Amino acid sequence: NAGVMQNPRHLVRRRGQEARLRCSPMKGHSHVYWYRQLPEEGLKFMVYLQKENIIDESGMPKERFSAEFPKEGPSILRIQQVVRGDSAAYFCASSPPLGGLNYEQYFGPGTRLTVT
Amino acid sequence: GQQLNQSPQSMFIQEGEDVSMNCTSSSIFNTWLWYKQDPGEGPVLLIALYKAGELTSNGRLTAQFGITRKDSFLNISASIPSDVGIYFCAGPSGNTPLVFGKGTRLSVIA
Repeated sequence: NAGVMQNPRHLVRRRGQEARLRCSPMKGHSHVYWYRQLPEEGLKFMVYLQKENIIDESGMPKERFSAEFPKEGPSILRIQQVVRGDSAAYFCASSPPLGGLNYEQYFGPGTRLTVT
Repeated sequence: GQQLNQSPQSMFIQEGEDVSMNCTSSSIFNTWLWYKQDPGEGPVLLIALYKAGELTSNGRLTAQFGITRKDSFLNISASIPSDVGIYFCAGPSGNTPLVFGKGTRLSVIA
């Protein structure tokens, strides 16, 4: 029973390039979340998606960042025209449908983005 | 948004010692989750708490949901070297699926 998968694990981009981060949720999970972690910091919520729907993107910068979770395939976090400040670890988490009191999310290993 | 304050920020302990850390908030949380993160990895869920006053164990780990709903505690008994890592508390807050504290960094001296 595979856990949450993310790729690539490490990504290096030059300023101005695009970064695409992929996330495949755990089997049976239909909800995906993206978080960003800076060194020595906790995780900051970015966006919450279900299949083909963005539920909450309140934590995502308004410009250059976008996320999708298509009907088929992984969830994608896309960062256009990257800047040095985008360097961070990006984590994806998944959960089963939120019902009752279950808020448990399971995290992937992360993608470490370095912008040079 | 809501903030979770974790203390201590870091701790150095001898192998075999017990560890206590806590997480506080200025407002009420209805769920508390404790995660551990190893270097270069994603957080791993350790314990989930859903009721005020609840005490839940997972092996050598025990966590409690404070009765005020504004705090939670995590204890590790008889620490071992593999307990090294960063421990985060988290909880749903308003529309945000999970808010995280900044973590407690644990180092174990053999």
